[in-house]
Amino acid sequence: AQSVTQLDSQVPVFEEAPVELRCNYSSSVSVYLFWYVQYPNQGLQLLLKYLSGSTLVKGINGFEAEFNKSQTSFHLRKPSVHISDTAEYFCAVMTNAGKSTFGDGTTLTVKP
Amino acid sequence: DTAVSQTPKYLVTQMGNDKSIKCEQNLGHDTMYWYKQDSKKFLKIMFSYNNKELIINETVPNRFSPKSPDKAHLNLHINSLELGDSAVYFCASSQIIGGGAQETQYFGPGTRLLVL
Repeated sequence: AQSVTQLDSQVPVFEEAPVELRCNYSSSVSVYLFWYVQYPNQGLQLLLKYLSGSTLVKGINGFEAEFNKSQTSFHLRKPSVHISDTAEYFCAVMTNAGKSTFGDGTTLTVKP
Repeated sequence: DTAVSQTPKYLVTQMGNDKSIKCEQNLGHDTMYWYKQDSKKFLKIMFSYNNKELIINETVPNRFSPKSPDKAHLNLHINSLELGDSAVYFCASSQIIGGGAQETQYFGPGTRLLVL
């Protein structure tokens, strides 16, 4: 079984400040790791993913995440956020069998 | 061109009714999914189909029945709708790559179901 824990349900930050959204996971099998963003009243959009290789992955909109196997974490970071980054962010894991498990989401609110 | 499309976008209906939500993907993917997102935005997988065959079926009431007429379509039929079925339902698709790994899921825009 897999589980995903997003450690912060809400993260308020000021514009141009750095942000980190934390994600820990547990799994008895190898998994692939994803971050998705959901803007208000829209579907989910992939930000970035880790399948293998370099543990630091870069995604769209200036986001990056680092896979840490020993800590079973996949935290999402951005050095300088914009108002337009205000959205719901989901961390997810997926097994080879196609089973995906999502975290409960983190609401990022960027204030001017 | 929309990669994953769902119809209808909004669905308001009475308790006890039967309704269907349609999903189509034009990405050539071989795997499709249905997710339910509740009012607290928790996202949970319901079903997954690979090449028209059911591969994942979470603990979903049997009032929910997915149907995949072909690889590009995965429809969701719901019988005897209940108040608790009110949620946003997302369809998604992905492609199996080498070694059985699943690639990125592409999500549809969602269907907002309200049961009165």
